[in-house]
Amino acid sequence: KNQVEQSPQSLIILEGKNCTLQCNYTVSPFSNLRWYKQDTGRGPVSLTIMTFSENTKSNGRYTATLDADTKQSSLHITASQLSDSASYICVVTHNAGNNRKLIWGLGTSLGVNP
Amino acid sequence: NAGVMQNPRHLVRRRGQEARLRCSPMKGHSHVYWYRQLPEEGLKFMVYLQKENIIDESGMPKERFSAEFPKEGPSILRIQQVVRGDSAAYFCASSRGHGETQYFGPGTRLLVL
Repeated sequence: KNQVEQSPQSLIILEGKNCTLQCNYTVSPFSNLRWYKQDTGRGPVSLTIMTFSENTKSNGRYTATLDADTKQSSLHITASQLSDSASYICVVTHNAGNNRKLIWGLGTSLGVNP
Repeated sequence: NAGVMQNPRHLVRRRGQEARLRCSPMKGHSHVYWYRQLPEEGLKFMVYLQKENIIDESGMPKERFSAEFPKEGPSILRIQQVVRGDSAAYFCASSRGHGETQYFGPGTRLLVL
């Protein structure tokens, strides 16, 4: 079954600290993997996208890694800020022939405290 | 270039009424997706449309829910005879091509009394 699992479910850190969020997937065949950030009360916003051949992708203080062999991805946030408080969602594209389908994780809720 | 627009942002309905949610995709995008998000839960895919055609409605409840994306005008998600369990945030997203990055609107928050 095609699934995306994220951990931890929620996380609280102090401002300025680093953190790493995990995403494990069983989607096959796989096309690409995206990380989205969803602020409370808003729609998700794309942070990074990685294809099968990419191991790492950065977007400012956000760095995503991908290990296609173990089907694992991580999102590392450096020097966290209060505005990083949000839900971070891992999304994997399933290549189902002519109909590519996005498989959404449930997200990790991150709280950054001063 | 305006982003994805949804209206209304908030909608209150009594049980049994109809709810109509609108979504205008980004300029140049012909692929529209609808998602539902219950409080404290993740996004759940409902339906994917490409101008005038429903491509994938595997996440759509079989009854009371329908979606359309006419040649002219916004995409519409219609919920007939709403029940309390329909209370949720409904997000619309659009993309230039299927499988490409989806850009989300601000959502419509539906409250059924």
